[in-house]
Amino acid sequence: QSVLTQPPSVSGAPGQKVTISCTGSTSNIGAGYAVHWYQQLLGKAPKLLIHDNNDRPSGVPDRFSASKSATSASLAITGLQADDEADYYCQSYDTSLGIVVFGGGTKLTVL
Amino acid sequence: EVHLVESGGGLVQPGGSLRLSCAASGFTVSSSYMNWVRQAPGKGLEWVSVIYAGGHIYYTDSVKGRFTISRDDATNTLHLQMNSLRAEDTAVYYCAADLEGYNYFDEWGQGTLVTVSS
Repeated sequence: QSVLTQPPSVSGAPGQKVTISCTGSTSNIGAGYAVHWYQQLLGKAPKLLIHDNNDRPSGVPDRFSASKSATSASLAITGLQADDEADYYCQSYDTSLGIVVFGGGTKLTVL
Repeated sequence: EVHLVESGGGLVQPGGSLRLSCAASGFTVSSSYMNWVRQAPGKGLEWVSVIYAGGHIYYTDSVKGRFTISRDDATNTLHLQMNSLRAEDTAVYYCAADLEGYNYFDEWGQGTLVTVSS
């Protein structure tokens, strides 16, 4: 049971938009800690996709965006492409546990 | 260019020990927050341990007293000594760098597989 809750899977057709939610609590996202997102392609290491709620590292396309509100966050991917098919993880810090916490991950399928 | 390369994984019996290493290049390990994150087969990511630039160390509860994180400043390498290994420790272990100390992981290694089985 992950501290941050994500849907197990989402899907969309090429060119469409999908969103992935990340629900936390008052001890992590709701406490003001930033949310970060990672993309993990099949068989590869995770890669930082979004940091500090909605900042993209250099090289990440602006098709990827994120937002945060209250105790939740969401990642949006527009103009879906076949190579966006991957697992996506949200991450924050939990002040009650005193550690970094991840969501359970969401598998994106491009139809 | 920042690069992380893990080594040391393998098959070990329950109760055994392994030492993982993560060789870093392109930045200084001692100036960063260096982490180990693991991923059990078919499962999600789980944070394991961190060593801060100032030397403070933290572990997730399930490995406290069994795992020890350390760094070798001379070789710019991060280590994870894993003792009293259990089947549930089976996972790919990633070395992950928090370069600015903002609690996110800028760079990841390729991972090393640890399998605990008799």
